[in-house]
Amino acid sequence: QKEVEQDPGPLSVPEGAIVSLNCTYSNSAFQYFMWYRQYSRKGPELLMYTYSSGNKEDGRFTAQVDKSSKYISLFIRDSQPSDSATYLCAMKNGSGNTGKLIFGQGTTLQVKP
Amino acid sequence: DGGITQSPKYLFRKEGQNVTLSCEQNLNHDAMYWYRQDPGQGLRLIYYSQIVNDFQKGDIAEGYSVSREKKESFPLTVTSAQKNPTAFYLCASSTRRVDEKLFFGSGTQLSVL
Repeated sequence: QKEVEQDPGPLSVPEGAIVSLNCTYSNSAFQYFMWYRQYSRKGPELLMYTYSSGNKEDGRFTAQVDKSSKYISLFIRDSQPSDSATYLCAMKNGSGNTGKLIFGQGTTLQVKP
Repeated sequence: DGGITQSPKYLFRKEGQNVTLSCEQNLNHDAMYWYRQDPGQGLRLIYYSQIVNDFQKGDIAEGYSVSREKKESFPLTVTSAQKNPTAFYLCASSTRRVDEKLFFGSGTQLSVL
């Protein structure tokens, strides 16, 4: 079993839809949770960064962490064609020099005009 | 503009040949990383370096080598011992050692002739 599981999709939605992207994990020691966005044949860019359970909002994006269920989500409101990309979840235990960043497989999202 | 520059964008390797991928950053970051990305497998860590003249193996270091002679540069050599080198290679850096907030380059696609 992989430490981090993410449905690769592809996920196709109409413009304006609310998108929900999810990851589950097995290591209860994970404390830091991130979402990266990767456009085709480009490097990933950090989208959201959270520590601890709860919600964090940034514009149209909301990151949600549920440590009790070992489940994280990224919600995109009013989705746009420019949101079409692969979304990678990543997580890490420890802090500073300890721990290792573990990436999910990535979910490919297509937002149709 | 500050950032990470990877070159070349595309690279072809002949059987038995060693090839070197370049990664340069002007962000004044201490830590640098090399990841390999294959379809459906997310990002896998090859090597990372926390400081000049020091580097550590990641999860899939076999068949690869690196050097860190300058803070700005972290080249990756794919040796002939790497039997399945076709992949998208990503270089990243971060402000703190083994930090989770990674900044990525635009990647190098390596293919075998």
